[in-house]
Amino acid sequence: EPEVTQTPSHQVTQMGQEVILRCVPISNHLYFYWYRQILGQKVEFLVSFYNNEISEKSEIFDDQFSVERPDGSNFTLKIRSTKLEDSAMYFCASSEQAADTQYFGPGTRLTVL
Amino acid sequence: AQSVTQPDIHITVSEGASLELRCNYSYGATPYLFWYVQSPGQGLQLLLKYFSGDTLVQGIKGFEAEFKRSQSSFNLRKPSVHWSDAAEYFCAVGASGGYNKLIFGAGTRLAVHP
Repeated sequence: EPEVTQTPSHQVTQMGQEVILRCVPISNHLYFYWYRQILGQKVEFLVSFYNNEISEKSEIFDDQFSVERPDGSNFTLKIRSTKLEDSAMYFCASSEQAADTQYFGPGTRLTVL
Repeated sequence: AQSVTQPDIHITVSEGASLELRCNYSYGATPYLFWYVQSPGQGLQLLLKYFSGDTLVQGIKGFEAEFKRSQSSFNLRKPSVHWSDAAEYFCAVGASGGYNKLIFGAGTRLAVHP
């Protein structure tokens, strides 16, 4: 069964460093999402992406964040200068259509020291 | 604004007992509703979804949920819980139009006693 994959599973970085989280969505899906879950809190929407552009973003997704689909398979989330409060589990999701089931990857746990 | 409330933070049941996890949503239009399960250290697995039609939906692992528009609820049920059901359960609502970002509830952590 097709699934969303994410790498790395765990990333440790120093405050102020740039990180790139990678996702490979399900191959025939056209809509891509990033969510995050701070430890012990609810899953929060960050951004949705379609047709090579951001379709919606939350207030969390400020200028420090960017997304990109550099090729036909990968979907990345970049945090330019990490802060302690960026420590969280980051989930990538994809869906075939706009209003459709989103399938989630296993997540990348980001730890900012 | 859209919101999802899961009133129970923790629930403990005995193996073999029935289970009901509550979910209430606030959304002005027709919602899409989902239940996801997260085992420790794992991602989010879809249990079931409601888009339209029959208000009682069946999912994987023997779970079902009932959409009640009048109560703005989408409660998850299972008649007989297994120890492997211990996990965190998230209810989520998506917009029926637009790009369908999901709004999640805070989750209910289920513990199962043998």
